Amino acid sequence: SQTIHQWPATLVQPVGSPLSLECTVEGTSNPNLYWYRQAAGRGLQLLFYSVGIGQISSEVPQNLSASRPQDRQFILSSKKLLLSDSGFYLCAWSQLGYEQYFGPGTRLTVT
Amino acid sequence: GQQVMQIPQYQHVQEGEDFTTYCNSSTTLSNIQWYKQRPGGHPVFLIQLVKSGEVKKQKRLTFQFGEAKKNSSLHITATQTTDVGTYFCASIGAGTALIFGKGTTLSVSS
Repeated sequence: SQTIHQWPATLVQPVGSPLSLECTVEGTSNPNLYWYRQAAGRGLQLLFYSVGIGQISSEVPQNLSASRPQDRQFILSSKKLLLSDSGFYLCAWSQLGYEQYFGPGTRLTVT
Repeated sequence: GQQVMQIPQYQHVQEGEDFTTYCNSSTTLSNIQWYKQRPGGHPVFLIQLVKSGEVKKQKRLTFQFGEAKKNSSLHITATQTTDVGTYFCASIGAGTALIFGKGTTLSVSS
């Protein structure tokens, strides 16, 4: 069966510090991968998606970047965090654009 | 770009009452998916509707896709405290990315 991992589960970082969140998927090949951000009590904002290694589509221009160095690994990064980067970051995978399966998420607080 | 609008944003019911959330789009949707997110958790896929006028049931949950494929609804019969959470509709946007509605948060008091 397929599983998706995200880490860390929670993170508190000062403004201006770098960020690296990692997501890995097991049990499937060549998945579509997605990064979402959810502000407290709000909906899901798609940040990036990838249909293959090295292929990244950005939905919202901002302080973040994404990379896909391996087939089942998706990384979300920032060089300098802003207060507005706080939120719940969710990674998800899908096959052929069908239903998406979400990881447990990372709660990021920028102080 | 394509958007899906959900109403209401919040709904509070007494346990045993029914609940409905609606999802609307100004454009024809290829499909509609529904997800549930429990408080503190991550979204979990519930169902996908593809055909015009399609109706699917999962126990006390009934999902409908409009004839024009521009709207959808999720109806819960006789809510229970386990139904608490936020319900999102979503549809395929550009490429394979899903466009999510802002969700309806359901609270249930016993």
